[in-house]
Amino acid sequence: SAVISQKPSRDICQRGTSLTIQCQVDSQVTMMFWYRQQPGQSLTLIATANQGSEATYESGFVIDKFPISRPNLTFSTLTVSNMSPEDSSIYLCSVVRQGAYEQYFGPGTRLTVT
Amino acid sequence: AQRVTQPEKLLSVFKGAPVELKCNYSYSGSPELFWYVQYSRQRLQLLLRHISRESIKGFTADLNKGETSFHLKKPFAQEEDSAMYYCALGQGAQKLVFGQGTRLTINP
Repeated sequence: SAVISQKPSRDICQRGTSLTIQCQVDSQVTMMFWYRQQPGQSLTLIATANQGSEATYESGFVIDKFPISRPNLTFSTLTVSNMSPEDSSIYLCSVVRQGAYEQYFGPGTRLTVT
Repeated sequence: AQRVTQPEKLLSVFKGAPVELKCNYSYSGSPELFWYVQYSRQRLQLLLRHISRESIKGFTADLNKGETSFHLKKPFAQEEDSAMYYCALGQGAQKLVFGQGTRLTINP
């Protein structure tokens, strides 16, 4: 398994500000992903965090709004920029080890934008 | 486009009764299907994967390519099975597309 921590666990932010969420894994992993879960909705993939290069974004998500960093094999950050109430969601990171199929999920960051 | 459909948002059954959570998918290639579960106050975790064809906590799921389904079944429900269940479709590089989820409640 993989032990994943996310910071912060929750936050309440004002409209127009930005929040950076951290994801830390206890060991090196191949793949890291960021998902969003809006209230009452399922999980939607935002992007794949690539180590040492730009993240790969899914349709409907752009780098200016959700910049992502992955400086090494155990850490990634997701920034939610210029927030609006529609950004209120749970944001989750997940990881996959090399040669494995199972995705391990972090505990999530609950963001409320007022 | 890849899509996963779980038609039931809520499912309630009595303890000891059979359980079936439905999942249908649309995918142009060879699908890789998963069931994930989230118990109360816990993080999302993998329950089972279609390729492994194993039974986890009494649950099984068979991939039916003709019906494009991957229903989750358990013959005798237990109270500890109450949770949120998500069906997911794996794409290249193991990206996942999730269904809407089914909240299963087992009544005593």
